[in-house]
Order: sequence, then C-alpha cells, then structure tokens
Amino acid sequence: EAQVTQNPRYLITVTGKKLTVTCSQNMNHEYMSWYRQDPGLGLRQIYYSMNVEVTDKGDVPEGYKVSRKEKRNFPLILESPSPNQTSLYFCASSPYIGGAKNIQYFGAGTRLSVL
Amino acid sequence: AQSVSQHNHHVILSEAASLELGCNYSYGGTVNLFWYVQYPGQHLQLLLKYFSGDPLVKGIKGFEAEFIKSKFSFNLRKPSVQWSDTAEYFCAVKSGANNLFFGTGTRLTVIP
Repeated sequence: EAQVTQNPRYLITVTGKKLTVTCSQNMNHEYMSWYRQDPGLGLRQIYYSMNVEVTDKGDVPEGYKVSRKEKRNFPLILESPSPNQTSLYFCASSPYIGGAKNIQYFGAGTRLSVL
Repeated sequence: AQSVSQHNHHVILSEAASLELGCNYSYGGTVNLFWYVQYPGQHLQLLLKYFSGDPLVKGIKGFEAEFIKSKFSFNLRKPSVQWSDTAEYFCAVKSGANNLFFGTGTRLTVIP
C-alpha cells in the first residue's frame, strides 16, 4: 500500500531535549516536505527536499533541521525544542519535481507537545 | 510572494444546506489549485484539483470547485451537506516548483 509513514504519532517532551520525527514514503517520490499546522494559521512549510541530499528552507525553518540521505526517508530534527514548537506536524511527498500534475500525499501527522 | 486566503474560518450548517467556501489566491502566473479535507483526527486528503481545462472541477463525495481566473478564486461547493462532511477544509495553490501554499483553513460543522 502506497503511504507516507510518520513516527511517532504523539510525543510529549521537555524544552531542550533533542528529538527526531521520522518520515518514510514507499512511492519512490523525489519530493518530500514537512509542514506544521497551527490553529488559525493553516499549514506552513518548514523544509522541503527536491531529491537526495537536496534540501531547502520553507516558510518557518527556524529551530528545525532535516536530512535526506535516502530517497525514502526525510527526518525532521529539533535540536533544542521549545514550547513554541508545540504543534501538529505533517510530512508529505510527491512524485514529479516541477511537474504540473503531481499531487502531494500526506502522512497521518505527529502531535508534538513541548513542556 | 504567493498567498492563499480563506475568508470563512468557521462555517456551521444544517444537514441538506448548500455549501460554498471561498478561496482566493495571489499569483499572476499559471497555477495548480487544490482543496484538501482533514476529518477530525486524520491527515489531509485530496478532495479535488484543477490543473487545466474545464474550470468546473468535480471531486469526491459530491464536492465541486470553480476556477475563476479573473477573480483569482477557486471556491468549493456542495449542493447538500451531510453530517459526515464535518471537517476542516484547506485550499492550496502550487505554481512553478513543487511547493504548496495553504490557506488557513475553514472549519465546517454540519448539524444533524
């Protein structure tokens, strides 16, 4: 089954304790992206990757890191989480770089609370 | 910079009422337009999309949207809503590169 898998689904942590949210897709997609969803703000892009070893900042990259060592995986890293990073995070992937007819597929989401 | 505006933050309707959710975007070039739906506790799912051709697009579950280029709009409609349509709806725009720009979302509550 084609899917985007995020882990964990729920996470409660404390300020300053490094954490990683994993994202994996089994559709051989080149493009992957991380979003955060906050009430009243919709989805905002954090980082995206056009292909292996190619990553770039989205609209709200501060406090986050990503890596793309393999095509299927795109982990989101919070080196020193802060309470303002409490949010719902979505990973997404899509097949064609720059193609007009591609569609982004979303993971189930990771709800993160930073105390 | 591109932006997507959804003017209705929360809409409450009775079952069988008609629905129209507004979406306006700011970008002068060729765009691809999407509506995603997020049911409570779930991830985003594609409802419908417009790439080219007929500006009236039909999606799943009886939803449709009309692209009006002159108004930079892509409003979502459904003639008769059901309780199961209770969800949050996001309009999104993509141009050029792969990045999607989302609106802030409209929460729809349908009262049985």
